[in-house]
Amino acid sequence: LAKTTQPISMDSYEGQEVNITCSHNNIATNDYITWYQQFPSQGPRFIIQGYKTKVTNEVASLFIPADRKSSTLSLPRVSLSDTAVYYCLVGSGGYNKLIFGAGTRLAVHP
Amino acid sequence: SAVISQKPSRDICQRGTSLTIQCQVDSQVTMMFWYRQQPGQSLTLIATANQGSEATYESGFVIDKFPISRPNLTFSTLTVSNMSPEDSSIYLCSVEDTTSNEQFFGPGTRLTVL
Repeated sequence: LAKTTQPISMDSYEGQEVNITCSHNNIATNDYITWYQQFPSQGPRFIIQGYKTKVTNEVASLFIPADRKSSTLSLPRVSLSDTAVYYCLVGSGGYNKLIFGAGTRLAVHP
Repeated sequence: SAVISQKPSRDICQRGTSLTIQCQVDSQVTMMFWYRQQPGQSLTLIATANQGSEATYESGFVIDKFPISRPNLTFSTLTVSNMSPEDSSIYLCSVEDTTSNEQFFGPGTRLTVL
């Protein structure tokens, strides 16, 4: 399973766009890239998943370059409620055990 | 999406005792996963539980300490045995939707060992 590296923490302000980059140099051909969000006292929640190029949903966008050795989670116009820990994970689909890295603790300020 | 409940939501236990945590899913799933999250830390996978077979444990976790049951496709238990204060943690179960590759987590069980 590929190891991921992401910043330990980030700070932002309401209304700003936040980009969190994750490195996964050893990503395998059949690995997907998945991001989870965790609020205090809750289990992680799926945000977005992609394989290559760009994926967008109602919550975020995920940018993946051609070499797939990194990915960037983009949160448009963050609010205070986006304060959470964000985890980047890589792994293949189907009965996939998730191996969590340290995550990025995002703090959104008024 | 899968809805997962865990019991108990929290407990305070004495060292040397054992606690069994229950995980219930609202749909049938093949694989269930148990994680531990120590205060301020990331999640660590304890084991993978497949219905009808022995659980598969990750490095550093053993069946004698964390026995797991998986009697059917919607339920699993994790027992934390012979507890010590170092076992104080949040224990979470999760399941995977194999069509979307999305994994769903329960709310967690907050365990404090005195």
